[in-house]
Amino acid sequence: GPKVLQIPSHQIIDMGQMVTLNCDPVSNHLYFYWYKQILGQQMEFLVNFYNGKVMEKSKLFKDQFSVERPDGSYFTLKIQPTALEDSAVYFCASSPGRRSDYTFGSGTRLLVI
Amino acid sequence: QEKVQQSPESLIVPEGAMSSLNCTFSNSASQSIWWYQQHPGKGPEALISIFSNGNKKEGRLTVYLNRASLHVSLHIRDSQPSDSAVYLCAVASSGSWQLIFGSGTQLTVMP
Repeated sequence: GPKVLQIPSHQIIDMGQMVTLNCDPVSNHLYFYWYKQILGQQMEFLVNFYNGKVMEKSKLFKDQFSVERPDGSYFTLKIQPTALEDSAVYFCASSPGRRSDYTFGSGTRLLVI
Repeated sequence: QEKVQQSPESLIVPEGAMSSLNCTFSNSASQSIWWYQQHPGKGPEALISIFSNGNKKEGRLTVYLNRASLHVSLHIRDSQPSDSAVYLCAVASSGSWQLIFGSGTQLTVMP
């Protein structure tokens, strides 16, 4: 079936540096999401993006986080500056409707050292 | 904030058996419940969803929702080794864009 592509699959970055996680969602999907999963813990919602706007964000979506999808290209999550506690797997998802099945990518494994 | 709890944490069944997974949620106004399957190193994949009280069957999967007891279960008939994965229960609340996930059940089907 249609897939969500996440680039890169792994990223190691020095604390304090900026990182951009890229997501290529399913082409006809309108709703985009980022979730964070720390090893051994449950998946947690970060942010939802629709029609060029953030519709909802959680308390995990710190001021250092931002999302955008310029001109229908990649849906990106930017963290600037990074902190050690940002180390996690970040999953991007997209859906055609608000209450539709999500299609998840395989995740970007981010390690902040 | 919606809370989602899954049991058991891990389940081992022989090939051909029925696997039964449980999920409880905290808000009876929760609109929709999904079950996702996640293999190691991959993202979750949607299996089946339910919105109304009662049951829904798709192939070898049956899901039961009881809003009064805030409980949903997933049953996998004729379990196969390829069904071995983590199963995640996810709940969407009215008025929120979030999916709240449980911590998962690790299912192992022994050949």
